[in-house]
Amino acid sequence: SQKIEQNSEALNIQEGKTATLTCNYTNYSPAYLQWYRQDPGRGPVFLLLIRENEKEKRKERLKVTFDTTLKQSLFHITASQPADSATYLCALDFDRGSTLGRLYFGRGTQLTVWP
Amino acid sequence: GAGVSQTPSNKVTEKGKYVELRCDPISGHTALYWYRQSLGQGPEFLIYFQGTGAADDSGLPNDRFFAVRPEGSVSTLKIQRTERGDSAVYLCASSLGQGNYEQYFGPGTRLTVT
Repeated sequence: SQKIEQNSEALNIQEGKTATLTCNYTNYSPAYLQWYRQDPGRGPVFLLLIRENEKEKRKERLKVTFDTTLKQSLFHITASQPADSATYLCALDFDRGSTLGRLYFGRGTQLTVWP
Repeated sequence: GAGVSQTPSNKVTEKGKYVELRCDPISGHTALYWYRQSLGQGPEFLIYFQGTGAADDSGLPNDRFFAVRPEGSVSTLKIQRTERGDSAVYLCASSLGQGNYEQYFGPGTRLTVT
């Protein structure tokens, strides 16, 4: 069965540094991969989407890479701020040629940025 | 505009009881999803609607779970004969569909079965 692993349950970094979160998957490669942010007591919030034929996507301080050979996505937050502290979830969609958008989520990585 | 709303925000029920959880998606979003999230886990897919029909209900754990979306907007997740293992946060999400894959989530309903 498909397995999605996010590097560690918790990551603590100092303000201003770059946070790098990892999402690894087994078996089949997804058609596309998404990253979401989740704050306590709230639903996930969409951040970025990258397709299987794309290597890198950027949005402001965020960058996502996708390596289908390594079966891995990296999520970077540059110039991190305490307000970036949250749980970050990677989500995979394996349905090609459809608009279903059913997502398979990892467990998430809890990021803490300290001043 | 308003985001996805879910009611109630919290529901405590006794084992064996019936519960209904409601989701109001973003206006104009044709796709609607239900997920379940346990503590320390990522959301787990339950069911997906495109319009009024359930396009994929393969994530429903058993026949005690059922969901409807009669008019293609509001959806209700129904759980019969609740069990303690059903305790979780139930999340609803909607998207534009038609190739737009970004999902917008509601705040969730925390269900506790005692």
